[in-house]
Amino acid sequence: DTEVTQTPKHLVMGMTNKKSLKCEQHMGHRAMYWYKQKAKKPPELMFVYSYEKLSINESVPSRFSPECPNSSLLNLHLHALQPEDSALYLCASSQDRFGPQHFGDGTRLSIL
Amino acid sequence: DQQVKQNSPSLSVQEGRISILNCDYTNSMFDYFLWYKKYPAEGPTFLISISSIKDKNEDGRFTVFLNKSAKHLSLHIVPSQPGDSAVYFCAANYMNRDDKIIFGKGTRLHILP
Repeated sequence: DTEVTQTPKHLVMGMTNKKSLKCEQHMGHRAMYWYKQKAKKPPELMFVYSYEKLSINESVPSRFSPECPNSSLLNLHLHALQPEDSALYLCASSQDRFGPQHFGDGTRLSIL
Repeated sequence: DQQVKQNSPSLSVQEGRISILNCDYTNSMFDYFLWYKKYPAEGPTFLISISSIKDKNEDGRFTVFLNKSAKHLSLHIVPSQPGDSAVYFCAANYMNRDDKIIFGKGTRLHILP
């Protein structure tokens, strides 16, 4: 069982839809991350939140909008995505900005 | 430019023998290294880490060796078990200066019966 929970596990959406990915951890971690992983590639960092503040945005298109409502939750709001955005989206957390990151099982996103 | 390289896309090892996964890095500023294991349909699981002040770290069947002069690290798994079949990612970052982890492309380990 993973201690970082991501919902939904699978999501299929059209290019005009608006949806959100959710991530939750109750380990008291103060840093949370969004990664994108394409098939047979390593995870690529998208966003980092530290103490609920956005600290890194890796030049991600504005159609991806992160939100950290509190220290346990991290959302990724999706709007007007492109087919090339189809991928596995992984959430991770760490005790602080510099500790090992613990990953959720991801949301597999397909854009039609 | 790939800063963390895992040059073997896959590796097959007999059950009970030693598995050795290799990783090279190019950035001499990296001072913290991690290994993650990933099963299909699951997120990466943190296995073991090592800081650059050490050359070896051991945790049960897993040992990571770091050769700073060669910019090389390796993960040894002994004895290898069927449940070790997975993709293994090597990763690196600048401890206490940067929260961005740079991942290698991964090595798929097959443990043969």
